Amino acid sequence: EAGVVQSPRYKIIEKKQPVAFWCNPISGHNTLYWYLQNLGQGPELLIRYENEEAVDDSQLPKDRFSAERLKGVDSTLKIQPAELGDSAVYLCASRRGGGTGELFFGEGSRLTVL
Amino acid sequence: AQKITQTQPGMFVQEKEAVTLDCTYDTSDPSYGLFWYKQPSSGEMIFLIYQGSYDQQNATEGRYSLNFQKARKSANLVISASQLGDSAMYFCAMINTGTASKLTFGTGTRLQVTL
Repeated sequence: EAGVVQSPRYKIIEKKQPVAFWCNPISGHNTLYWYLQNLGQGPELLIRYENEEAVDDSQLPKDRFSAERLKGVDSTLKIQPAELGDSAVYLCASRRGGGTGELFFGEGSRLTVL
Repeated sequence: AQKITQTQPGMFVQEKEAVTLDCTYDTSDPSYGLFWYKQPSSGEMIFLIYQGSYDQQNATEGRYSLNFQKARKSANLVISASQLGDSAMYFCAMINTGTASKLTFGTGTRLQVTL
């Protein structure tokens, strides 16, 4: 079984430029998460999807961040325009849904904003 | 609201020794799950062990065991027979049905295994 796939692994952009991250969850996993991880800190939730519905986006800075999960499978996280403080690792995770089961994480997308 | 606290920013342990990484939590939900993840320098989050709030016995997975003390709201990770490859960041995390599947992480503990 393939794991959670994220791309790109690394991205370097100048401030004010747009950037997008893509995530393909494990097949059959209804719940998809985007987490932000700053250096030396634990991941923080940005948005959670149940199928195609965003059920928790309270931590997503909506002025510059957007996300979508078309057809309840792949998801894209976009930042426009990027700021210096957005430099971090963006982690995608998925789980089958319901109960308190394990989240499976992708390898992350490391963003550097210059 | 749920909260995870890891009070040890860094820990050292000698190879082949056991080490305990501390984790305390706070939640008002009676149904919750506790996780430990390992994050090596490559960045991926690797699932280690899970403990459900209603589980009667402490979880074990190979060299990993979770010392679950419900009344004290602690879920410490014990790694036995440490190996050099255990050097990494370790995160404690919690999920509960009250917040509908949101996984909340602690700030992590960096473990360094020495010869």
